Amino acid sequence: DAGVIQSPRHEVTEMGQEVTLRCKPISGHNSLFWYRQTMMRGLELLIYFNNNVPIDDSGMPEDRFSAKMPNASFSTLKIQPSEPRDSAVYFCASRQQGRADNSPLHFGNGTRLTVT
Amino acid sequence: AQTVTQSQPEMSVQEAETVTLSCTYDTSENNYYLFWYKQPPSRQMILVIRQEAYKQQNATENRFSVNFQKAAKSFSLKISDSQLGDTAMYFCAFMTPASGSRLTFGEGTQLTVNP
Repeated sequence: DAGVIQSPRHEVTEMGQEVTLRCKPISGHNSLFWYRQTMMRGLELLIYFNNNVPIDDSGMPEDRFSAKMPNASFSTLKIQPSEPRDSAVYFCASRQQGRADNSPLHFGNGTRLTVT
Repeated sequence: AQTVTQSQPEMSVQEAETVTLSCTYDTSENNYYLFWYKQPPSRQMILVIRQEAYKQQNATENRFSVNFQKAAKSFSLKISDSQLGDTAMYFCAFMTPASGSRLTFGEGTQLTVNP
């Protein structure tokens, strides 16, 4: 089990540029979550998918943010255009949602995004 | 809406001693789950312990245990025999099946274990 894999680990970009963050969930997990962590707001849920379908994107800050999950083993979070206030650590997490509702979220190592 | 509150932004403890981190939550649901996650400087989020609300028995995982008080909506984490590697940010988190299994996190408590 390789765990949840996120790339890149660090991303530095200039304001106005497009940023794409990538996530590979744990094989067999059917729920995927994108969280953002900042000092001011802590850990915030941006969006989550069940069986590749977006269920709740109410946490997505604005239209500049979009997320896709084209298949069970890959998801992207895109910011276009990026702004300095988007600087944060972005976590992807997955879980096996089923009969055991207490199954925990497994987190990737996060992507630290810096927008200058 | 569910909320999770950790009232201790920072705590410190001497190595080998015991420390308790506080967490309270607010919900109208009866079926829910509670978790403690640890985030060391490497920033990886690591599950420490979990508790089902329907279980009266407090969960334990080696040196980690919880004091779950359902009526008081309290879920504290006790770390016994603290080790230097326990230094991390600790997050309390809440999940209910009714909310689609999303985790709601508290603000976090930065724990420092001193040698």
